[in-house]
Amino acid sequence: DVKVTQSSRYLVKRTGEKVFLECVQDMDHENMFWYRQDPGLGLRLIYFSYDVKMKEKGDIPEGYSVSREKKERFSLILESASTNQTSMYLCASSLPGPYEQYFGPGTRLTVT
Amino acid sequence: GENVEQHPSTLSVQEGDSAVIKCTYSDSASNYFPWYKQELGKRPQLIIDIRSNVGEKKDQRIAVTLNKTAKHFSLHITETQPEDSAVYFCAASINSGNQFYFGTGTSLTVIP
Repeated sequence: DVKVTQSSRYLVKRTGEKVFLECVQDMDHENMFWYRQDPGLGLRLIYFSYDVKMKEKGDIPEGYSVSREKKERFSLILESASTNQTSMYLCASSLPGPYEQYFGPGTRLTVT
Repeated sequence: GENVEQHPSTLSVQEGDSAVIKCTYSDSASNYFPWYKQELGKRPQLIIDIRSNVGEKKDQRIAVTLNKTAKHFSLHITETQPEDSAVYFCAASINSGNQFYFGTGTSLTVIP
């Protein structure tokens, strides 16, 4: 069974803190994605990676960075968290090309 | 980049009636169109997808139609049931790329 897991379901951080969100997939997928989900705005792509150590900016990369040192793991980093980064963060993975993306359960991040 | 618009943002139907959600896209190079269902508190999951070499695809009570000329595609749910209540997202992707462009979502409520 396909599985994408995220390190936390809920996270509360203070403004200015460095935040790490981790995602792990067990499907040997080349592609991994980080999305942000906000009401009325749908799913917006922050970054994606198509191979180890490779990354591409999505639509809203400002304030975020990513790391992919191993194929199964993709990390999202908020260098200095701000209140406008309070959101639901979803990780996904897929085979190369336009194929089904499998999503993780999400991390609800609150920055106070 | 691609721009996907989705309507309506909310939809209420009586149990047993049909529901239709419509999406338009801007990039004629898009040729993969998935639909995701997200139940409250859960991860988005693929329910049906269509590629541009076909005009319609059905899976039991769910169907998707694609009009490449007009650049729009629609999700049709027949004989709706309370468990169809969820947020539905459309997306578009270009064959040569890996990125999905999501619509802003439709919150469907099926009234028993």
